[in-house]
Amino acid sequence: NAGVTQTPKFRVLKTGQSMTLLCAQDMNHEYMYWYRQDPGMGLRLIHYSVGEGTTAKGEVPDGYNVSRLKKQNFLLGLESAAPSQTSVYFCASSPPTGTQYFGPGTRLLVL
Amino acid sequence: QQQVKQSPQSLIVQKGGISIINCAYENTAFDYFPWYQQFPGKGPALLIAIRPDVSEKKEGRFTISFNKSAKQFSLHIMDSQPGDSATYFCAAECGRNRDDKIIFGKGTRLHILP
Repeated sequence: NAGVTQTPKFRVLKTGQSMTLLCAQDMNHEYMYWYRQDPGMGLRLIHYSVGEGTTAKGEVPDGYNVSRLKKQNFLLGLESAAPSQTSVYFCASSPPTGTQYFGPGTRLLVL
Repeated sequence: QQQVKQSPQSLIVQKGGISIINCAYENTAFDYFPWYQQFPGKGPALLIAIRPDVSEKKEGRFTISFNKSAKQFSLHIMDSQPGDSATYFCAAECGRNRDDKIIFGKGTRLHILP
């Protein structure tokens, strides 16, 4: 099992560009999450999903959109990237009860 | 009420010493308290977790102490080793309702001196 994988690992964007981060899990987990990690800020929840076809806002949802068309995939979109979105993005998945399993992260730099 | 406050922000401990990281929460509905360990360039991974029906949980050199009345819990790393150098996050979670989500502390960067 690969666990949770994230694509791409690193990306540089110019302000105003758009991109999609892909998260895939092979553990048949119901729940999936997108976090951003910034120095001194810990992990902040952007959006999450409790099942295929459902999404909900987390702590810092502005500027991001998500979709969960398939149970194993959770996509995070940036429609118009801003320098404030420079961060490391982590995807995680979990069963309804138990541990969250994190991916290796995507490092995003917005110039 | 949804915050989890973690301290210290950074910690330096001599090899063989005891590392202690503290967390406090406000929401009494939280019923699951995991600790995650994160090495540079990697995603966080579950280290140890506790539920509030016990006051302590030990796994090898790692122990969680839980004080329900004070709404505090802490991670103790005994005989700390250089390989324990990482960032540690405490977290709290409120059951598994449809809208459930985990609340993380801001993290503690631990450095073990060789």
